[in-house]
Amino acid sequence: DVKVTQSSRYLVKRTGEKVFLECVQDMDHENMFWYRQDPGLGLRLIYFSYDVKMKEKGDIPEGYSVSREKKERFSLILESASTNQTSMYLCASSLEEAQYFGPGTRLLVL
Amino acid sequence: GENVEQHPSTLSVQEGDSAVIKCTYSDSASNYFPWYKQELGKGPQLIIDIRSNVGEKKDQRIAVTLNKTAKHFSLHITETQPEDSAVYFCAASSGAGGTSYGKLTFGQGTILTVHP
Repeated sequence: DVKVTQSSRYLVKRTGEKVFLECVQDMDHENMFWYRQDPGLGLRLIYFSYDVKMKEKGDIPEGYSVSREKKERFSLILESASTNQTSMYLCASSLEEAQYFGPGTRLLVL
Repeated sequence: GENVEQHPSTLSVQEGDSAVIKCTYSDSASNYFPWYKQELGKGPQLIIDIRSNVGEKKDQRIAVTLNKTAKHFSLHITETQPEDSAVYFCAASSGAGGTSYGKLTFGQGTILTVHP
């Protein structure tokens, strides 16, 4: 079974803090994705990566950056957290079309 | 870019009834359509998917139909059970080839409640 793990289930941060969200997959998948999930808006793609050290902007990349130094690990970085970044963050990985998700990190920015 | 609309936003059924969730998409190049189930406190789980060369796919109580001409696809759950209660998401993709790398565009989600 594909396993995607995220470093934290819940996080509380202050406005202006730098926040790191970590994601690890154990299936040697090429592609990894970061989404945010907000009520009534579904899942929206922030960034994705199709190879080590490669990254592509998704639909809502503003205020975020990513890092992929190793194939199994994909990090989402909030350079200066703001209250409008309070959300559920979901990581996913895929080999081809089917994406497999982690459990999510619920981030609260105060 | 792709736009996916999902209806209804909430659906309440009695145990044993059928449930149908519908999605429309805008990009005629989309050729992969997965459905995800998200239970409380968990990440979305892939439950069934269909590719554009197939009109219907079934897996036990779950089926998905695709109408490429009308650009819509639907999830059908028969003989619903309380454990089917969850949020369901549809999505569309133009596939893993080329520069899309399997990017998915999701619908807004449907909260399904199955009453015992």
